[in-house]
Amino acid sequence: AQSVTQPDIHITVSEGASLELRCNYSYGATPYLFWYVQSPGQGLQLLLKYFSGDTLVQGIKGFEAEFKRSQSSFNLRKPSVHWSDAAEYFCAVAVATGFQKLVFGTGTRLLVSP
Amino acid sequence: DTGVSQNPRHKITKRGQNVTFRCDPISEHNRLYWYRQTLGQGPEFLTYFQNEAQLEKSRLLSDRFSAERPKGSFSTLEIQRTEQGDSAMYLCASSSKPGTGYNEQFFGPGTRLTVL
Repeated sequence: AQSVTQPDIHITVSEGASLELRCNYSYGATPYLFWYVQSPGQGLQLLLKYFSGDTLVQGIKGFEAEFKRSQSSFNLRKPSVHWSDAAEYFCAVAVATGFQKLVFGTGTRLLVSP
Repeated sequence: DTGVSQNPRHKITKRGQNVTFRCDPISEHNRLYWYRQTLGQGPEFLTYFQNEAQLEKSRLLSDRFSAERPKGSFSTLEIQRTEQGDSAMYLCASSSKPGTGYNEQFFGPGTRLTVL
C-alpha cells in the first residue's frame, strides 16, 4: 500500500532564509505526487504536483519540488521564506488508477521567525 | 466557480447526538471525496462518490457513518451516536473524471466537529 513520510513535525526558518521540507513516499509504480498547504482554519491549497517528465516542478508562491526516484523523495523548497508562508504543509501521493484517492503524510508545521 | 463549500464550518455536539454535514462540490465535478483530519495528522480518506454512486469506503467509516450524494450534486455525511473520537476536521473535495492521467482534487474549507 502507498504511504507518505514527512520526518519533520516542526521546522523554524528565519524570514528570508531558504526552506526545504522533506517527503518520502512508498508506492509500487510511478506516483502522482503533490504538496498542499493548509493555513489555520482553512482547507487545503495545492502548491504543486508531479506526474511525469521534468523532475523539478514549479508551483505557486515561489515553491518548487524535486522528484528523485532513486531516493523515493519529493522535497519541497523555497529560496526565500516570507512570514506569510507560516502554515502546515502536506505531501501526498495519489494512486494512478481507479478513483485516485490521495494518501497524505502527517504534515510539517513551518514557523517563520523575524 | 465558487469552489467547494461546506456547511456548517463548526459543529459542537454532545456525545450520543447525531450530526450531519453538507458539501457542495464545484458544479461540473462528478467525483466527490470525504476525508477526515485529526489533530496533528494529515487527512485520511473516508469515502468516494462518482456521480450519485458511492463506490469506495474506507475501513475508517464505521457503521455509525453514512454518506449520500443524491442526484450526483451535493453530498451529506451523517454521524450517528457521536463519540469523542469523532472530533476532527471533515474535509470534502471534488474533481472531474480524467480522460487520462489525473485531475486535481479541490478541497473545501472543512467542517470542524467537536464532541463533548
